[in-house]
Amino acid sequence: DGGITQSPKYLFRKEGQNVTLSCEQNLNHDAMYWYRQDPGQGLRLIYYSQIVNDFQKGDIAEGYSVSREKKESFPLTVTSAQKNPTAFYLCASSIGLAGGVSTDTQYFGPGTRLTVL
Amino acid sequence: AQSVTQLGSHVSVSEGALVLLRCNYSSSVPPYLFWYVQYPNQGLQLLLKYTTGATLVKGINGFEAEFKKSETSFHLTKPSAHMSDAAEYFCAVSGRNDMRFGAGTRLTVKP
Repeated sequence: DGGITQSPKYLFRKEGQNVTLSCEQNLNHDAMYWYRQDPGQGLRLIYYSQIVNDFQKGDIAEGYSVSREKKESFPLTVTSAQKNPTAFYLCASSIGLAGGVSTDTQYFGPGTRLTVL
Repeated sequence: AQSVTQLGSHVSVSEGALVLLRCNYSSSVPPYLFWYVQYPNQGLQLLLKYTTGATLVKGINGFEAEFKKSETSFHLTKPSAHMSDAAEYFCAVSGRNDMRFGAGTRLTVKP
């Protein structure tokens, strides 16, 4: 089955630690995205990537980093600089490029819930 | 810049009643509009989308939405609610460079 996988489903972090959230897709999509979801605030864009080895900051990139070394993978690192990292993190992908990144349907993974202890 | 406003963070209906979830958008370019559904602790699933053409868009699970340019609205409806429709619903608008999501509306269905 084609789709997007995220791991782990639940993640606990101690203050001062960096953690990396995994996102893999086998849809052959060019564009990938990371969103943060907090109650009552909808989804906020952290980073997006239109193509391998390229990525752009979204609205709330501070305290986060990403890489895009392979088309199918777009890991997100939550660094110790992120002061309030407890949230639900969603990864998405879309066909991208041909239709323009934002006009394509985005397909979402199941999410990772990060809790800071 | 594009933005979306969802009117009502919580909507409660009885099983079998009409579902109406409201979405108004702002866009400086012709919008592409989407409705997604999210079940607890899961990702978002596309319900329907409007790109161009017919303004009444039919989606999965009996939902439909109508694009009204004059009202800058894209409200989601379903004639008869089912218990399985209980979830959070997000409206989204896309433009040239990004997609903007509304804050979401939580739908509760009462037996």
